[in-house]
Amino acid sequence: AQKVTQAQTEISVVEKEDVTLDCVYETRDTTYYLFWYKQPPSGELVFLIRRNSFDEQNEISGRYSWNFQKSTSSFNFTITASQVVDSAVYFCALSEPPGVNDYKLSFGAGTTVTVRA
Amino acid sequence: GAGVSQSPRYKVTKRGQDVALRCDPISGHVSLYWYRQALGQGPEFLTYFNYEAQQDKSGLPNDRFSAERPEGSISTLTIQRTEQRDSAMYRCASSPGLAGPSYNEQFFGPGTRLTVL
Repeated sequence: AQKVTQAQTEISVVEKEDVTLDCVYETRDTTYYLFWYKQPPSGELVFLIRRNSFDEQNEISGRYSWNFQKSTSSFNFTITASQVVDSAVYFCALSEPPGVNDYKLSFGAGTTVTVRA
Repeated sequence: GAGVSQSPRYKVTKRGQDVALRCDPISGHVSLYWYRQALGQGPEFLTYFNYEAQQDKSGLPNDRFSAERPEGSISTLTIQRTEQRDSAMYRCASSPGLAGPSYNEQFFGPGTRLTVL
């Protein structure tokens, strides 16, 4: 069975601080995809990134960066120089192996990030 | 371009009534998914379509829940004889599908908040 754990329920920071969101996953599969989504107060779910388990290179997109470590089954997300607009619930998700059920995403419970001005 | 749209955005119904939730995916997206999200939790997979074919309905909680996508575009999730425990956010997502590089990147709609009294 697949499982995604986001141990941090809530994080509160002051604007311009960096914030790192932890995501630990469990799977017996050797190939899979990992995702991060953002749910702002307006409620929509916004796709941020998809990462293939074969690609362990870290990725940076503007103020966002992702650290994928297969050895520790973690896919952490860092927001650098946070802004009030970053306030949201962030979800990490794991898919089943490509070619099997890779459409089925298992989500963590989410981490609520509050950025104070 | 237009994203995934869902209607209604909010639905309040009395226990025992039937409800139909609609999803209009991104134009050209082959795959369509339904998820249910309880308060404070991540979305949970319900069912999935490729074109008009329902590929997996293993996440539907019981036989009161059904979904269709008759022409391979718009989908309807129907809940018969609603119960209070059905209250949740129902989210639809679509992805390009097929074999492209972004085939399983799922883009979510704003959701329908269902309240069963």
